[in-house]
Amino acid sequence: GENVEQHPSTLSVQEGDSAVIKCTYSDSASNYFPWYKQELGKGPQLIIDIRSNVGEKKDQRIAVTLNKTAKHFSLHITETQPEDSAVYFCAASLWGYALNFGKGTSLLVTP
Amino acid sequence: NAGVTQTPKFQVLKTGQSMTLQCAQDMNHEYMSWYRQDPGMGLRLIHYSVGAGITDQGEVPNGYNVSRSTTEDFPLRLLSAAPSQTSVYFCASSYGSGELVDHNEQFFGPGTRLTVL
Repeated sequence: GENVEQHPSTLSVQEGDSAVIKCTYSDSASNYFPWYKQELGKGPQLIIDIRSNVGEKKDQRIAVTLNKTAKHFSLHITETQPEDSAVYFCAASLWGYALNFGKGTSLLVTP
Repeated sequence: NAGVTQTPKFQVLKTGQSMTLQCAQDMNHEYMSWYRQDPGMGLRLIHYSVGAGITDQGEVPNGYNVSRSTTEDFPLRLLSAAPSQTSVYFCASSYGSGELVDHNEQFFGPGTRLTVL
């Protein structure tokens, strides 16, 4: 089955700096790669997603890049703000079914 | 729309007891799924359903049963609770698969925190 590895497990940045979280996946058939943000006591919320036919996608301060050959994808957050502090999860799947999640990255943005 | 709702929010069980975690969505989504979240383990898929009457196993199905009699509801049953089932349970739904990426977005409920003593 699909195996998703996520690094780092914790990340601390200064407000205004950029944050990068990386994931690798094992199943070359996977074609949908979402990123979720989870705040304490809440369910995960989708922040950005990408299909395998696209190499990069951007939404304001958030971007995701995908390298199909190397089977890795990354989340980039620019101009970080304290409200970006949360746990971030990457996932991989085929057509959006049966998401396989990474173990999460706890991001702390300090003022 | 209420989105994805889950009840109860918290539950404490004794080993061997049974219970049902409720999940409902009002977005007319075909696809629904259950995940459990344990510290340091991310979210792991328990069971999923691609439509009413159709269910399938995920990564960690043992000890859990599901059924999907309506599009809206997808209950998760623990027949004989064990301490290893202490976890936070999330239900999610989406339109389903297809070419449109928007249809793949899974909306998560607020979760049920279950403790088995």
